[in-house]
Amino acid sequence: GESVGLHLPTLSVQEGDNSIINCAYSNSASDYFIWYKQESGKGPQFIIDIRSNMDKRQGQRVTVLLNKTVKHLSLQIAATQPGDSAVYFCAERPSGGGADGLTFGKGTHLIIQP
Amino acid sequence: EAGVTQSPTHLIKTRGQQATLRCSPISGHTSVYWYQQALGLGLQFLLWYDEGEERNRGNFPPRFSGRQFPNYSSELNVNALELEDSALYLCASVGLAEETQYFGPGTRLLVL
Repeated sequence: GESVGLHLPTLSVQEGDNSIINCAYSNSASDYFIWYKQESGKGPQFIIDIRSNMDKRQGQRVTVLLNKTVKHLSLQIAATQPGDSAVYFCAERPSGGGADGLTFGKGTHLIIQP
Repeated sequence: EAGVTQSPTHLIKTRGQQATLRCSPISGHTSVYWYQQALGLGLQFLLWYDEGEERNRGNFPPRFSGRQFPNYSSELNVNALELEDSALYLCASVGLAEETQYFGPGTRLLVL
């Protein structure tokens, strides 16, 4: 079946460095993608989203890149801070206006080292 | 503005019992999604409610059901609980004509 997957389950970076979290998706019909951050014991927190008609979107310290040719999504976090430590999920919305909910990957655990 | 709220935060049940989980969406949001996050797995889509109606459900058995009330809050019911139902249950709300799903803190259900 269709799925969203992450290349790396764990990513360890030094505080202050930039981090890149990657995600591969397989549903070419998906029209909307979201990155969520989930801290231990909490629900997923929205970070940034991008529609399929875009290839880049920037937020505060975060950038999402979408490459539809290779079905790849990435999240870049600039100048990582201890508070960035969490599990990051990418999610896609299959076309259909949200009827099927979001399809999530299993997550990447980002560890910020001092 | 208050975010999505869920209750209870934790729930312990025994196999065969029923569980009821509640969700209050962000004020003004009319759509509620339910997801299951089992240990070691990603979030799995359970149910979608919009304007008081069940619009779609994921690949879960009928003992997972729910409803949405006139104030757009929602309830998830799980009947005949099984051990593998132990998970974090998350709800998310979406505003009318919007796309972003905002999640609540979840209810952690433990089935013994």
